[in-house]
Amino acid sequence: DVKVTQSSRYLVKRTGEKVFLECVQDMDHENMFWYRQDPGLGLRLIYFSYDVKMKEKGDIPEGYSVSREKKERFSLILESASTNQTSMYLCASSLLLGTQYFGPGTRLTVL
Amino acid sequence: SQQGEEDPQALSIQEGENATMNCSYKTSINNLQWYRQNSGRGLVHLILIRSNEREKHSGRLRVTLDTSKKSSSLLITASRAADTASYFCATNSGTYKYIFGTGTRLKVLA
Repeated sequence: DVKVTQSSRYLVKRTGEKVFLECVQDMDHENMFWYRQDPGLGLRLIYFSYDVKMKEKGDIPEGYSVSREKKERFSLILESASTNQTSMYLCASSLLLGTQYFGPGTRLTVL
Repeated sequence: SQQGEEDPQALSIQEGENATMNCSYKTSINNLQWYRQNSGRGLVHLILIRSNEREKHSGRLRVTLDTSKKSSSLLITASRAADTASYFCATNSGTYKYIFGTGTRLKVLA
């Protein structure tokens, strides 16, 4: 079974802090994704990566950056956290055009 | 608006009844997928149906796809309390991107 893990289930940070969210998948998938999920807005794509060191902006990349140095690991970085980035963050991986496998999510609160 | 839009937004049924939820989308697709999300958790994949397929089954789940109407439905038969969750459709148009709807919240009453 595919396993996608995220570094934290819950995270509390202060405004202005730099925040790292880590995601690791064990199925050698080329594609990895970061979404945020907010009530009434569904899942919105922040960034995705289709290969090591390759990344593409999603629908809401502002305030975020990503890093993919190894195929199995995709990191989301909040350069200077703000309260409007309080959200549930979901990582996923997939083969091209295939099923997306999600991690358990990180609920981030920015105070 | 989102590519995939689920309907209804919320659904409450008794255990043993069938639950039907619908998804509409706007552009042509390569495939459509349904996911389940239990409260506060990640999404779990249920079924993937390709654009050249009309119906797929998996256990108590039945998914239909009507590309002429740009719509899909998910039927859960003989529902159980454990089926209580949010259900999302996601479309893929042949690129890297998947577009998710806002979900249907299903509550199954014991």
